[in-house]
Amino acid sequence: NAGVTQTPKFRVLKTGQSMTLLCAQDMNHEYMYWYRQDPGMGLRLIHYSVGEGTTAKGEVPDGYNVSRLKKQNFLLGLESAAPSQTSVYFCASRPGTNEQFFGPGTRLTVL
Amino acid sequence: GENVEQHPSTLSVQEGDSAVIKCTYSDSASNYFPWYKQELGKGPQLIIDIRSNVGEKKDQRIAVTLNKTAKHFSLHITETQPEDSAVYFCAASSGPVPGRRALTFGSGTRLQVQP
Repeated sequence: NAGVTQTPKFRVLKTGQSMTLLCAQDMNHEYMYWYRQDPGMGLRLIHYSVGEGTTAKGEVPDGYNVSRLKKQNFLLGLESAAPSQTSVYFCASRPGTNEQFFGPGTRLTVL
Repeated sequence: GENVEQHPSTLSVQEGDSAVIKCTYSDSASNYFPWYKQELGKGPQLIIDIRSNVGEKKDQRIAVTLNKTAKHFSLHITETQPEDSAVYFCAASSGPVPGRRALTFGSGTRLQVQP
């Protein structure tokens, strides 16, 4: 099993550009999450999904959209990137238990 | 919502010494408290967790204690080794919405074990 994978690993955007981050898991987990990690602030929840076809807002959802068309994939979209969205983005998934499994992260820089 | 505070932000110990990281939480309804280790360039990895019906849990050199009354929990690493050097995050589950079980993280502790 590959676990949780994220694509791409690194990306540099200009202000106003759009992009999509892909998270994939092969563990058949129902729940998936997108977090952002900023220096000195830990990880903050952006959006989450409790199953295929469902999404919900987390703590810091503004400027992001998500989709969960397939159970194994959770996409995070930035429609118009801003410098404040420069961060490291982590995807996580979990089964019915509490433990969350994290991907390796995507480092995004918005100039 | 839940708020988790973590101290210290950096911790340097000599190899073989013990390390203690402390966290406090605000939501008395939180019932799950994991600790994650994050190595450079990697995602967080669960190292130990504890539920609110347990006061202490051990796994080899690491242990976690929970004081529900005071709303704080701690990570203890004994006989530290250089490979323990990493950033450690505590977290608490906050999820009044069934199935959400999202985690609220502390700000992290950078542990450096000096050989």
